Amino acid sequence: GAGVSQSPRYKVAKRGQDVALRCDPISGHVSLFWYQQALGQGPEFLTYFQNEAQLDKSGLPSDRFFAERPEGSVSTLKIQRTQQEDSAVYLCASSLDTNTEAFFGQGTRLTVV
Amino acid sequence: SQKIEQNSEALNIQEGKTATLTCNYTNYSPAYLQWYRQDPGRGPVFLLLIRENEKEKRKERLKVTFDTTLKQSLFHITASQPADSATYLCALDTRPGGFKTIFGAGTRLFVKA
Repeated sequence: GAGVSQSPRYKVAKRGQDVALRCDPISGHVSLFWYQQALGQGPEFLTYFQNEAQLDKSGLPSDRFFAERPEGSVSTLKIQRTQQEDSAVYLCASSLDTNTEAFFGQGTRLTVV
Repeated sequence: SQKIEQNSEALNIQEGKTATLTCNYTNYSPAYLQWYRQDPGRGPVFLLLIRENEKEKRKERLKVTFDTTLKQSLFHITASQPADSATYLCALDTRPGGFKTIFGAGTRLFVKA
């Protein structure tokens, strides 16, 4: 596809369940970002990949959050033992390089009940 | 700590008028600043990027200014249209490396016909 694709669009998880969110970036884009967006707030940085290397994971809120991009294209954000405070929209963005325009996916809305 | 502030109150204007949105930041020396548009249920869409050595940038009906002394950016939409109604996010890079983009909470704009 032409844009960044995220799946699923919506996910409802029971507290304590593990979830995996997928991001398909634009083909050829080196940089990939994950953000968390709470209602009424701007996106908050979680982690950054340059190809398959995770260069910055300073925004991951706890060790329950884990992200990977093993082949430098598709990325997965995994949240273990989900808590209610994890409920948010998780956005993925990709760009050709670090300091160029970022293209966002539509996000995955996670609701933990 | 680093902070980005955008008007939390919604901006209501009449069609045809110029909308002006403000972004202020503290404890920061960004190399560049970006503005994004976000519609409900969608990811942010990149609009404009302005570098620290640029005072002003234009694109069609959009104009951005960047005052590194005042630590402020102004975003203008001239001849506004109801279709411009959305949330507008200001975003700054971090130094060094620029991996992490920090977003403001956004300002909601309503353009009335």
